[in-house]
Amino acid sequence: LAKTTQPISMDSYEGQEVNITCSHNNIATNDYITWYQQFPSQGPRFIIQGYKTKVTNEVASLFIPADRKSSTLSLPRVSLSDTAVYYCLVGDSFQKLVFGTGTRLLVSP
Amino acid sequence: KAGVTQTPRYLIKTRGQQVTLSCSPISGHRSVSWYQQTPGQGLQFLFEYFSETQRNKGNFPGRFSGRQFSNSRSEMNVSTLELGDSALYLCASSLVWASGSPDEQFFGPGTRLTVL
Repeated sequence: LAKTTQPISMDSYEGQEVNITCSHNNIATNDYITWYQQFPSQGPRFIIQGYKTKVTNEVASLFIPADRKSSTLSLPRVSLSDTAVYYCLVGDSFQKLVFGTGTRLLVSP
Repeated sequence: KAGVTQTPRYLIKTRGQQVTLSCSPISGHRSVSWYQQTPGQGLQFLFEYFSETQRNKGNFPGRFSGRQFSNSRSEMNVSTLELGDSALYLCASSLVWASGSPDEQFFGPGTRLTVL
């Protein structure tokens, strides 16, 4: 199982762009990179998934360099409601996705 | 479309008892997975059911078991409860696309189990 390393916590202010970087040095050829968001007392929610280069959807962008040993989740213009825990997961099936402890993002006014 | 529902939302039990948690997946989803979340261990995969069969299993003792019914609803059972079983138990459902990428998991709100 590919192990991921991400910051324990990050602070930001409303309106700023937030970039959360995840390291996954032993990612396998078939592995995808998936990010989930979790609010207190709720189940995680899928944000974005990618294999290489850049993926963008209505809430975030995911940047993956050519060597795929890291990835960066980018949240444009965060708001207070983006305060949550963000999990970076690597695997080729969800059964192999290890959630870990994630990155706790705090957005302040 | 209704989301994943879990019942009950909160439960208090004592050591040695057993407990059954229920999960109703999103309509059309045939895969149901269960997770345990604790402050110390984070979110850990328990097992996955697909078409009434356990397809994958995490690293948990045999006290943790589950089943899935023909309508895809699933139950999870924990026997001989221990204090360390206090946790948020999350259920997630997904479509199975066999696309080569991990299927998106849709999580329910969870059942908060407290073992006294």
